[in-house]
Amino acid sequence: EPEVTQTPSHQVTQMGQEVILRCVPISNHLYFYWYRQILGQKVEFLVSFYNNEISEKSEIFDDQFSVERPDGSNFTLKIRSTKLEDSAMYFCASAIGEQYFGPGTRLTVT
Amino acid sequence: GNSVTQMEGPVTLSEEAFLTINCTYTATGYPSLFWYVQYPGEGLQLLLKATKADDKGSNKGFEATYRKETTSFHLEKGSVQVSDSAVYFCALSDGMAGGGADGLTFGKGTHLIIQP
Repeated sequence: EPEVTQTPSHQVTQMGQEVILRCVPISNHLYFYWYRQILGQKVEFLVSFYNNEISEKSEIFDDQFSVERPDGSNFTLKIRSTKLEDSAMYFCASAIGEQYFGPGTRLTVT
Repeated sequence: GNSVTQMEGPVTLSEEAFLTINCTYTATGYPSLFWYVQYPGEGLQLLLKATKADDKGSNKGFEATYRKETTSFHLEKGSVQVSDSAVYFCALSDGMAGGGADGLTFGKGTHLIIQP
């Protein structure tokens, strides 16, 4: 069964550094998403992406964040200058109908 | 804006017990409703969904009915197993049955523990 994959599973970075989280969506899916879950809190929507551009974004998705689909298979989330409060589990999802989620990347900012 | 409220966990039950996890929502319009499950170390998996009032979603013995009058989508199972131990998330979407541009709005999740 096709699945969404994410790498790395765990990323540790220092405050102020740039990080790129990577996702490979299911191949025939058209919509792509990033969500985050801060420990003990809700899963929160960050951004949706369709036809090579952002469709919707939440107020969390500020200028520090960007998304890209560089090569037709990968879908990346970049955080330009990480802050302590960016520490969270980041989930990628893709959809052609329902959303299918990856296993997540745990980002720890020290 | 949209919001989802679900019962706080952890919920601990014995095997073969009846399960109810409550979920209520606030939304403009007519959202689609979902239950996702997260097993340890894995991503969120769609368990079931309902896209209009009075629809019943079902899968793997779990059921939930879209109740517009009470804005609820409670998850039920008649006889739980140890393998059902996981975190369960209620969610809604304004979009086309969960796809489309709109992100899902999630509840905080309910950790279910089933003891043998």
